[in-house]
Amino acid sequence: IAGITQAPTSQILAAGRRMTLRCTQDMRHNAMYWYRQDLGLGLRLIHYSNTAGTTGKGEVPDGYSVSRANTDDFPLTLASAVPSQTSVYFCASSDRGRPSGANVLTFGAGSRLTVL
Amino acid sequence: GENVEQHPSTLSVQEGDSAVIKCTYSDSASNYFPWYKQELGKRPQLIIDIRSNVGEKKDQRIAVTLNKTAKHFSLHITETQPEDSAVYFCAAAPGHNAGNMLTFGGGTRLMVKP
Repeated sequence: IAGITQAPTSQILAAGRRMTLRCTQDMRHNAMYWYRQDLGLGLRLIHYSNTAGTTGKGEVPDGYSVSRANTDDFPLTLASAVPSQTSVYFCASSDRGRPSGANVLTFGAGSRLTVL
Repeated sequence: GENVEQHPSTLSVQEGDSAVIKCTYSDSASNYFPWYKQELGKRPQLIIDIRSNVGEKKDQRIAVTLNKTAKHFSLHITETQPEDSAVYFCAAAPGHNAGNMLTFGGGTRLMVKP
């Protein structure tokens, strides 16, 4: 593993089903994030975690949950998928301890989710 | 919270011409402004960033300018090449001690015609 790995790459899901998108990083970054990307809306933050054991809500958290049991893993769960959750999901991580204070995000390759 | 507006949503230029993408932000506490490039089917990657204590930053053919008073910042690409074709995202964040929450603009699809 080098950087951030997301799985699955793509998935078609029936509405009402439960789905977990996986995200693993090997850079020992303390912060991790989930964004969704929709045409014309850019990247919108769903949930974030500043350190293992803590999570927070982003701009569009409804219908999603996350957990951060350890530094490396940050799964995103859709408890009961709806068609409006059709999107491309990007996991990202950053080292919030940078002396410059700059929050440079490293992104995963993305997971394309289609909810029918 | 922060709101970032980005214009234009699409931009087509001839190879060799310059391209300018503009963003405005709403939160005066924001002090970190990165730009990400996303090639087709790929992940976003940081190309340049600027802190609020600097008005301009340049890296080869790309430069970013910041006007804190007006709350806007811009990306300038000179001598565009076909490989510059991508979606560009601006973002703003309140900085190190405020959760480092990046708020992204809606993106600009740049097409460089050979």
